[in-house]
Amino acid sequence: GNSVTQMEGPVTLSEEAFLTINCTYTATGYPSLFWYVQYPGEGLQLLLKATKADDKGSNKGFEATYRKETTSFHLEKGSVQVSDSAVYFCAEGGGYQKVTFGTGTKLQVIP
Amino acid sequence: NAGVTQTPKFRILKIGQSMTLQCTQDMNHNYMYWYRQDPGMGLKLIYYSVGAGITDKGEVPNGYNVSRSTTEDFPLRLELAAPSQTSVYFCASSADRVGGYTFGSGTRLTVV
Repeated sequence: GNSVTQMEGPVTLSEEAFLTINCTYTATGYPSLFWYVQYPGEGLQLLLKATKADDKGSNKGFEATYRKETTSFHLEKGSVQVSDSAVYFCAEGGGYQKVTFGTGTKLQVIP
Repeated sequence: NAGVTQTPKFRILKIGQSMTLQCTQDMNHNYMYWYRQDPGMGLKLIYYSVGAGITDKGEVPNGYNVSRSTTEDFPLRLELAAPSQTSVYFCASSADRVGGYTFGSGTRLTVV
């Protein structure tokens, strides 16, 4: 079946540092791609999405570009804040039985 | 604007007991899902529904049952609880097949 691979965490950064969390997927065709964020004790929240090749999803200073040629959807942010500390999940699909989540990457931002 | 509401937030069950996890959404979404989240394992789909009266198995359905009598409600039933069912359970909904999901805040279940 399809799989989504994320870089293992935890990722620890100082405030205002640049963030990259790598994500690659195996689905063929043109699946929709998503990043979700989970804060402690809460459910997952949709952070951004892209539905076709070369699309860039963006929200709250986070960005990710749908790269069909490398089957990747890396998450980036130019300057992280302490409030960005959370677990980030990459996901592919969008069909009701075809969404596949990565295992999550924990981000810790220290002042 | 409630979104997806799950109850209870926490529960401890003894082996062999049964319980129902409740999930309600107020967004008129047709698609609803149940996932379980185990540490370091991501999310696994248990059951899903594409509308009232229609349900189907996901990746890990054994030991669970669901029903969808209304658009709003999608309860998950655990029969004969086992320690392997200790997990955090999330309900989610979506308006269509390519949009993102709205998740509830989860139910942390421990089976002892």
